[in-house]
Amino acid sequence: DVKVTQSSRYLVKRTGEKVFLECVQDMDHENMFWYRQDPGLGLRLIYFSYDVKMKEKGDIPEGYSVSREKKERFSLILESASTNQTSMYLCATLTGQALEKLFFGSGTQLSVL
Amino acid sequence: GDSVTQMEGPVTLSEEAFLTINCTYTATGYPSLFWYVQYPGEGLQLLLKATKADDKGSNKGFEATYRKETTSFHLEKGSVQVSDSAVYFCALNRDDKIIFGKGTRLHILP
Repeated sequence: DVKVTQSSRYLVKRTGEKVFLECVQDMDHENMFWYRQDPGLGLRLIYFSYDVKMKEKGDIPEGYSVSREKKERFSLILESASTNQTSMYLCATLTGQALEKLFFGSGTQLSVL
Repeated sequence: GDSVTQMEGPVTLSEEAFLTINCTYTATGYPSLFWYVQYPGEGLQLLLKATKADDKGSNKGFEATYRKETTSFHLEKGSVQVSDSAVYFCALNRDDKIIFGKGTRLHILP
């Protein structure tokens, strides 16, 4: 079974802090994604990566950056956290016979105070 | 850019009622289409999919047909159960970029 592990389930940070959210997958998948989920807004794509050191902006990349130094690890970085970045962050990898199925980690609920 | 629009919720139905959740998309080319479901307290999971026009995806009594002419992928179920209460997300995949709609919360009353 695919396993996508996000390093923290809950995280509390202060405004202006640099925040790292880590995601590790164990299936050698090439495509990995970061979303944020907010009530009434659904899931919004922040960044995705289709290979090591490759990254693509999603729909809301402002205020975020990513790092993919190894295939299994995809990190989301908040350079200077702000209160409007309080959200549930979901990491996912693309799996399935035709790469049609997203498999999600359990999520990190980030609160920025 | 690519986008997915689905009907706003919450949708409240009685058990055994017929369900339709509308979903339309905007995309160039021929994306694959999906419905994901998020049960209370759980992560998102794939419910069904369709990869080309006129395909019908089905799972757990739910169905959706890929309609290219109307750019739609409406979710239907003939008789809903209380256990179907969840948030449903329509999504598309074009060139491995997955875009989600805002989600529709469904409440089923016993």
